[in-house]
Amino acid sequence: QKEVEQNSGPLSVPEGAIASLNCTYSDRGSQSFFWYRQYSGKSPELIMFIYSNGDKEDGRFTAQLNKASQYVSLLIRDSQPSDSATYLCAVSGTGGFKTIFGAGTRLFVKA
Amino acid sequence: EAGVAQSPRYKIIEKRQSVAFWCNPISGHATLYWYQQILGQGPKLLIQFQNNGVVDDSQLPKDRFSAERLKGVDSTLKIQPAKLEDSAVYLCASSPGWGSTDTQYFGPGTRLTVL
Repeated sequence: QKEVEQNSGPLSVPEGAIASLNCTYSDRGSQSFFWYRQYSGKSPELIMFIYSNGDKEDGRFTAQLNKASQYVSLLIRDSQPSDSATYLCAVSGTGGFKTIFGAGTRLFVKA
Repeated sequence: EAGVAQSPRYKIIEKRQSVAFWCNPISGHATLYWYQQILGQGPKLLIQFQNNGVVDDSQLPKDRFSAERLKGVDSTLKIQPAKLEDSAVYLCASSPGWGSTDTQYFGPGTRLTVL
């Protein structure tokens, strides 16, 4: 069973701090990695995707991928209360491109 | 550009009844997905269409769930008969192509409650 694992949290950080969200996956053949944000009662929206080992930065967000360790992370710098949401890690690229989502990590940013 | 449309937004039914959900993807998007998201869990793929063909339906409970994509555009997902454990949000998503690198755009979802 291919799996994507995330710490369910909640992760609580003060405003202005760095939030670090982690995700591990079981299928070594995975090719694409996505981070989605989901506010309570809303649908997921894409924050970032990463395909290659290393770091990818987009504004306050940095995605990090380590395929050897089967690990992907999302860093949120200068966290804001509006970043409070559930962050879903998604992995795809194997067996027909099916995307598998983790259960998500709930993040609370305290003002 | 209009987003993914879904209806209804909410539905409450008794167990053993039938229900249908409708999705209209973003214009021109080749791939359409139906996900089930149970409270506290991530979305689980039920079925994936590329144009009007099924790519993956390995997690679709075929004894009660069915889906079709008409002319490679709109799609309907049906549950017959519903069970209590079907209570969830049903999300429709679409993507422009069909590669593993494609970004998926989600609709607002249909919240189903089975009593």
